[in-house]
Amino acid sequence: LAKTTQPISMDSYEGQEVNITCSHNNIATNDYITWYQQFPSQGPRFIIQGYKTKVTNEVASLFIPADRKSSTLSLPRVSLSDTAVYYCLVGDMGTGGFKTIFGAGTRLFVKA
Amino acid sequence: DVKVTQSSRYLVKRTGEKVFLECVQDMDHENMFWYRQDPGLGLRLIYFSYDVKMKEKGDIPEGYSVSREKKERFSLILESASTNQTSMYLCASTFRDRGREQYFGPGTRLTVT
Repeated sequence: LAKTTQPISMDSYEGQEVNITCSHNNIATNDYITWYQQFPSQGPRFIIQGYKTKVTNEVASLFIPADRKSSTLSLPRVSLSDTAVYYCLVGDMGTGGFKTIFGAGTRLFVKA
Repeated sequence: DVKVTQSSRYLVKRTGEKVFLECVQDMDHENMFWYRQDPGLGLRLIYFSYDVKMKEKGDIPEGYSVSREKKERFSLILESASTNQTSMYLCASTFRDRGREQYFGPGTRLTVT
């Protein structure tokens, strides 16, 4: 599985757009990029996934350049409740047996 | 809504005890997982199961075993608990063909003294 590198922490203010970048230089052809969010004392929650270009849902956008060696999770107009740890995962986990690697994640702290 | 439940939120056990952590999901998911989460290390996969009675080792299976006798239930067993197994344990489940979208339980914080 491709190893991922993310910033350890980020600070932001309410109402700002936050972009968290993940590096995955060894991404394989079949790998997808998936992001999870984890609040304190809870299990991670799936946010978004993509293979290439841009994906958007009601929570976030995911930007993936053509070479797919990195990806950027974009959170529009964050609020205090977006304070959490965000994990970037890379792998082909669509079917059958697989292994998954959650790194240390990026701790986002949103200030008032 | 998918629901993944874990038998305990907090558990305190003594060194050498046999410990059972239970996980139940209600969405008919084929795949189930056990992770442990430690500060600074993220989540590490212990075991996963892709069908009843099937299991595969994850990244850190040593000191653990698992059991999956029914599709909805996946148990993690610590045969002889040790202090280095003090951790947060998280269970997750997903459909076979949607492995990237895992649903997690609330976690069990296990302390071994």
